[in-house]
Amino acid sequence: EAEVAQSPRYKITEKSQAVAFWCDPISGHATLYWYRQILGQGPELLVQFQDESVVDDSQLPKDRFSAERLKGVDSTLKIQPAELGDSAMYLCASSQGLSEYEQYFGPGTRLTVT
Amino acid sequence: AQSVTQLDSQVPVFEEAPVELRCNYSSSVSVYLFWYVQYPNQGLQLLLKYLSGSTLVKGINGFEAEFNKSQTSFHLRKPSVHISDTAEYFCAARYSSASKIIFGSGTRLSIRP
Repeated sequence: EAEVAQSPRYKITEKSQAVAFWCDPISGHATLYWYRQILGQGPELLVQFQDESVVDDSQLPKDRFSAERLKGVDSTLKIQPAELGDSAMYLCASSQGLSEYEQYFGPGTRLTVT
Repeated sequence: AQSVTQLDSQVPVFEEAPVELRCNYSSSVSVYLFWYVQYPNQGLQLLLKYLSGSTLVKGINGFEAEFNKSQTSFHLRKPSVHISDTAEYFCAARYSSASKIIFGSGTRLSIRP
């Protein structure tokens, strides 16, 4: 069964350092999402791609976060510099298209900033 | 503003007992509703979804939910829980005016033997 892949699964970094997460969606899925899930809360959308284009990045803190999906397949989310408040689970999801209601989630990357 | 509310942050139940996890959404002409389950240190898995049609929706692992438009609710139920159902459950909504899914804050289901 096809799955969304994410790496690393866990990351510990010091504040002010740069950190990057990688996501490989299910093959053929045009829409890719990055979510941030703070402990005890539901996921919150950071950025949504349709192929290589950003559809929604209204909740992405653009002063320190960036996301790209250059070839419309895999994607990278970067934080520079990391802050203590960035400690969270970062989830990637994909779906066949914008109008597709079911999103498939990866296992997530748990980030701890010290 | 569009929102999803899960009133119970934690629900403890005994094994083989029935359970109901509550979810309310902000009213809208059109809404699509979902329940996801998240096991520790894992991503989210879709349990069930309501898009249209029958208000009683059946999902995986014996769960079901009922869409109630008048009460703007989408409560999740299971007649008999198992230890393996221990997880965090998230209700989510997608409104026709926006493409993104809005998640509730989650309900932690803990099963006592």
